[in-house]
Amino acid sequence: QSVLTQPPSVSGAPGQRVTISCTGSSSNIGAGYDVHWYQQLPGTAPKLLIYGNSNRPSGVPDRFSGSKSGTSASLAITGLQAEDEADYYCQSYDSSLSGFWVFGGGTKLTVL
Amino acid sequence: QVTLRESGPALVKPTQTLTLTCTFSGFSLSTSGMCVSWIRQPPGKALEWLARIDWDDDKYYSTSLKTRLTISKDTSKNQVVLTMTNMDPVDTATYYCARMPDYGGNSLYFDYWGQGTLVTVSS
Repeated sequence: QSVLTQPPSVSGAPGQRVTISCTGSSSNIGAGYDVHWYQQLPGTAPKLLIYGNSNRPSGVPDRFSGSKSGTSASLAITGLQAEDEADYYCQSYDSSLSGFWVFGGGTKLTVL
Repeated sequence: QVTLRESGPALVKPTQTLTLTCTFSGFSLSTSGMCVSWIRQPPGKALEWLARIDWDDDKYYSTSLKTRLTISKDTSKNQVVLTMTNMDPVDTATYYCARMPDYGGNSLYFDYWGQGTLVTVSS
């Protein structure tokens, strides 16, 4: 069981907008800790997509955006493209006894 | 540019000790605020953070695995080493090392990753 909860899968047609949620608790996201997102293309290592809730590293298209509110965070992808088909993971810090740096269970994005 | 590369055995037997090396370039672990972590991913499953070592040699371990993990660094060789004792088939996973810069944020992230190395635990 992951500390951060993500939907196992989402899907959308090319050009559409999809969102992926990441739900935490009062010991992580709800405590004010930043949320970060990673994209993992099939057979490759994760790549930093969003850091500090809503910041994009250089080279990440502005089709990707992040937000955070309360105990949850969201990743939005607009203008969906076939190359966006991947697994997406959220990550934060957890201050509980079993915490430290924690990941969500991952969401598989399928482009229809 | 920043690169990291993991190396180690592809196959270990149950109860053996695993030793993985992360060799990196493009940054120095003697620079204030620089950290390196190990993260693993069982086949078809989610990412799991394992351990972190800082520029000042502070170390952090996953609570559930802390009795089995040791992380160390050789700054002169630009390497970070992770050892995991008493390996079990459930430890079969791809093991990644990743840079983790401490820029003062309240939740650190992993900005560069190695390509990962698959470790299978089987007799």
